[in-house]
Amino acid sequence: NAGVTQTPKFRVLKTGQSMTLLCAQDMNHEYMYWYRQDPGMGLRLIHYSVGEGTTAKGEVPDGYNVSRLKKQNFLLGLESAAPSQTSVYFCASRAPGQFNEQFFGPGTRLTVL
Amino acid sequence: AQSVTQLDSQVPVFEEAPVELRCNYSSSVSVYLFWYVQYPNQGLQLLLKYLSGSTLVESINGFEAEFNKSQTSFHLRKPSVHISDTAEYFCAVSRGYGGSQGNLIFGKGTKLSVKP
Repeated sequence: NAGVTQTPKFRVLKTGQSMTLLCAQDMNHEYMYWYRQDPGMGLRLIHYSVGEGTTAKGEVPDGYNVSRLKKQNFLLGLESAAPSQTSVYFCASRAPGQFNEQFFGPGTRLTVL
Repeated sequence: AQSVTQLDSQVPVFEEAPVELRCNYSSSVSVYLFWYVQYPNQGLQLLLKYLSGSTLVESINGFEAEFNKSQTSFHLRKPSVHISDTAEYFCAVSRGYGGSQGNLIFGKGTKLSVKP
């Protein structure tokens, strides 16, 4: 049981390039989330999904797109990367229900030059 | 709108000293409250949570937090810290558990540095 995994762990992009971050979970969780973490800012929700085929915007969605074609995967895309998107990105998943916590992946450190 | 305020961005303490990490939230409705811990270069792990019932909740490694509805606070305490407690701690709140209500709003984090 690997939990939540993220690919890649590190990436350096040039301004304007595109890339996709992959999040995978093997816990059969319905809910999945993408956050970004910036120094002194805590974690901010980018997009989330409450089930396969559904996505919704979070607090800071601009410049990002997501897809949830399979229940176990949640993809975060940057179509045209900007230096302001330099951050550490975390994926999380959760089962529905009152007592269920979010489980986090190890993060992806992205630098946009 | 909900918000979470962690009053201290950094807290340095000596080993075996007590520590309190402060968290206040603003919400007009009932909330669920969480403390997450992030060790260096790792993801976040749930430390403890308050959903309902007893206002004092405990973790397996000696931390505790008390939900105070009148003061809208959820401070984290440990009577004696260890070097291994050095990490960043995040307070978070959600309005519920279904749909978007289960989304977490995080504070900006408190870096706990335990010195020998």
